[in-house]
Amino acid sequence: GAVVSQHPSRVICKSGTSVKIECRSLDFQATTMFWYRQFPKKSLMLMATSNEGSKATYEQGVEKDKFLINHASLTLSTLTVTSAHPEDSSFYICSASPTYRDSVGGSNQPQHFGDGTRLSIL
Amino acid sequence: TQLLEQSPQFLSIQEGENLTVYCNSSSVFSSLQWYRQEPGEGPVLLVTVVTGGEVKKLKRLTFQFGDARKDSSLHITAAQPGDTGLYLCAGAEAGGTSYGKLTFGQGTILTVHP
Repeated sequence: GAVVSQHPSRVICKSGTSVKIECRSLDFQATTMFWYRQFPKKSLMLMATSNEGSKATYEQGVEKDKFLINHASLTLSTLTVTSAHPEDSSFYICSASPTYRDSVGGSNQPQHFGDGTRLSIL
Repeated sequence: TQLLEQSPQFLSIQEGENLTVYCNSSSVFSSLQWYRQEPGEGPVLLVTVVTGGEVKKLKRLTFQFGDARKDSSLHITAAQPGDTGLYLCAGAEAGGTSYGKLTFGQGTILTVHP
């Protein structure tokens, strides 16, 4: 089945550091990938939609200058947390699905998720 | 903005009991997906339901999609400790600028005690 690889799995760094997280689709192409943030024992919160070759679409309340997204190829999206602070500590997860549109314009392809990145800012 | 209400948020049961998790919305989804997530890992897809009224079975798990494609349920028969985890429902929006975007329910933390 479709596999999404996320790297690194865990990052611990000092406040003020910028951290880059990679999301790769290993056996399919994805024009769209999604980035989520998850707090302990809570559901996933969508941060942004990453679009290959164009600007990302950010959800309300998410700072685009803080969370930089680059989707330079059909198999790779990156999320960079710039000048990270302790409040940015969280579990970040990406997802992707093969690009396919059904006859009514919707997507019935399931999202496949990476294993997440645990970010800890000291 | 589409919303998906998932309940209950917490469920603590004994091994062998049955349980049902519900996801409800006032919006129509093109498909609905159920995921299970363990701590420190990404969600793993259990099933996708597409057709209104659809029922899918995966061993002891039964998934239903409402006739109007606005709600879904997950029923587990004879729960086992290995079923413990966070269960998430997610509805896929149909077309437009929200193509492929998922709306997640709040999640259900299931604990099955031996």
